[in-house]
This record gives sequence, structure tokens and C-alpha cells, in this order.
Amino acid sequence: DIPMTQSPSSLPASVGDRVTLTCRASQSIGTYLNWYQHKPGTAPKLLIYAASTLQTGVPSRFSGSGSDTHFTLTINSLQPEDFATYYCQQVSRARSFGQGTKVEI
Amino acid sequence: EVRLVESGGGLVQPGGSLRVACAASGFTFSTHWMSWVRQAPGQGLEWVANIKPDGSEAYYVDSVKGRFTISRDNAKNSLYLQMNSLRAEDTAVYYCAREGHYSNWYYFDWWGQGTLVPVS
Repeated sequence: DIPMTQSPSSLPASVGDRVTLTCRASQSIGTYLNWYQHKPGTAPKLLIYAASTLQTGVPSRFSGSGSDTHFTLTINSLQPEDFATYYCQQVSRARSFGQGTKVEI
Repeated sequence: EVRLVESGGGLVQPGGSLRVACAASGFTFSTHWMSWVRQAPGQGLEWVANIKPDGSEAYYVDSVKGRFTISRDNAKNSLYLQMNSLRAEDTAVYYCAREGHYSNWYYFDWWGQGTLVPVS
């Protein structure tokens, strides 16, 4: 098991803001890191895989970076539909998620 | 289009058993790893288990090892999670998810809508 730690737990923001979410792995995972968006009552949505590759259909205002133990998800010009909880996930050894960052107004 | 539909959730008593299922369509089920992920009330996502395309290997989060069993029937395009010795802390919405991949990079690219399993 590889514990993943996300910060902050919640992030107050406004439409148009640029926000950066952080995810840290307890050991090196290379770039075996994915990001998901989750809204209540819906299925989670894949945003980014392999740390920085945008999933097909995901808006280009989302971007990911990082490797080994430190990763970031950046959302440029936050839109109303972006208020949600974001999870990182490691797929280097088995699978595990971070505890999530809630982006809220 | 890819579709994953979970079923079988429902109220179960502590110590009881339940099997949830996931019906897959719209893709070649037998070529994909599949996972179960759960979300307890007010909590985050927790990966539970996954299984190799041919069913020969399966992996579990420590908290369910020895109690839960993931399986699949490729002829029926179906994924299962047999849950035994259920505890209150297993109360969650259970999602099935398809594992897509690009080279060695795996990701959960399709998810079902989830099935609720309250243990009380």
C-alpha cells in the first residue's frame, strides 16, 4: 500500500481563479499518478493520467505535473462546473487514492 | 458506448454477506482489468480490489483481505464482489470501474453509477 496525501483538504475559490492542488506519495511512484473529479451523486471522472496527460474531452484549463513523490493539478480560470472534489490516485503498486481536495465557493 | 451498471446493493446486518455485481457493455470486457472502488458516507474514494482480465490474479486493500472476493465471468461480461463478515465501516457506495491503459500507465476511464451497501 502506498498512502497518498492531498493538500489542502478544502480550497475556497472563485470563478476565474487559478488554483493548484497538491498530492504527495509516501514513496516514489514515477509518473503513475492519475487525477479525478467527483461531484455528489455522479460517477468520478478521469481528468489526467500518467501525471500530465489530459484525458480525451477534458478542457485544456486542467493540467497536471510532477513525478516521484510530488504532483500538482492546476485549473486555470476556474469555471462554475469545476466546483467539485478532486482525487489523486497512484497506480504504481496496487491502487490507492488520496483523501481528496474539495474546491468550493 | 461503454456502460457499467452495478446491482445487488441493499441493507445487510453486521456479520452478514452480500454479493454485488457489475454488468459491462460497449467494450471487450475480457481484455480489461476491472476494479471496485467505494465511498463511505462523507468520506473519500477508497480502492477496494481489482482483477486481471482472465481472472487469474486479484488484489485487495488490506482492510478487506480475507473477507471480500472479487471475481468475473467474461462469458457474461460481469464483475462481482462477494462481501462476507460485513462491518459497519463497510457501509458505502460501491462503484465498479474499468481500467484503461496506455502502455504501462493504467487509469480508471469508465465508472458505474454505484450501488449502496448499508451495514446496520
